[in-house]
Amino acid sequence: QSVLTQPPSASGTPGQRVTISCSGSTSNIGSNIVNWYQQLPGTAPKLLIYSNNQRPSGVPDRFSGSKSGTSASLAISGLQAEDEADYFCAAWDDSLNGVVFGGGTKLTVL
Amino acid sequence: QITLKESGPTLVKPTQTLTLTCTFSGFSLSTSGVGVGWIRQPPGKALEWLALIYWNDDKRYSPSLKSRLTITKDTSKNQVVLTMTNMDPVDTATYYCAHSSAMVGRPFDYWGQGTLVTVSS
Repeated sequence: QSVLTQPPSASGTPGQRVTISCSGSTSNIGSNIVNWYQQLPGTAPKLLIYSNNQRPSGVPDRFSGSKSGTSASLAISGLQAEDEADYFCAAWDDSLNGVVFGGGTKLTVL
Repeated sequence: QITLKESGPTLVKPTQTLTLTCTFSGFSLSTSGVGVGWIRQPPGKALEWLALIYWNDDKRYSPSLKSRLTITKDTSKNQVVLTMTNMDPVDTATYYCAHSSAMVGRPFDYWGQGTLVTVSS
């Protein structure tokens, strides 16, 4: 049972916009920054969004992040086949004094 | 260019102690704000954070595993070592080490390729 809650799956067709939610509490998302990771099949996770809504160099602007209260969201616009992957949110948790991850969302491009 | 690589046994027996080494390049663990973390992922499951060590030797552990984990660093060798005692089959997972950036929010911005550790007699 992960501390941060994500839907286990999401899907969309090429070109569509999809969003993935990440729900937490006041001790994590509510008071700390959210980061998002993309894990392509058979590979290590890759930083996708940091500081709630910032993209590392090389990440397309199709990917965007937002945070409100104790929830965060990852949006992917102009969905492409190569976006099919697992997506994880993460944040520092002040109560646990450590990093917490979401359970991950498997994105399928139909 | 920052790179990290995990090394250690691929198979351990129940009750044994696991020792994993993360060897990195492209950064120094003596640089203010920098850290190295360990994260694991059981087959087909979610990521689970295990431990973090910072440039100033500050250490943080997952509360649920704290009694079993020890993280240390050797700055001169560019290595971070994680030990986990009393291994159990449920600890079977791919273990990753990752660079914790000094950026706001301290994201894990570079990851090793991971090493699969199987716990079985």
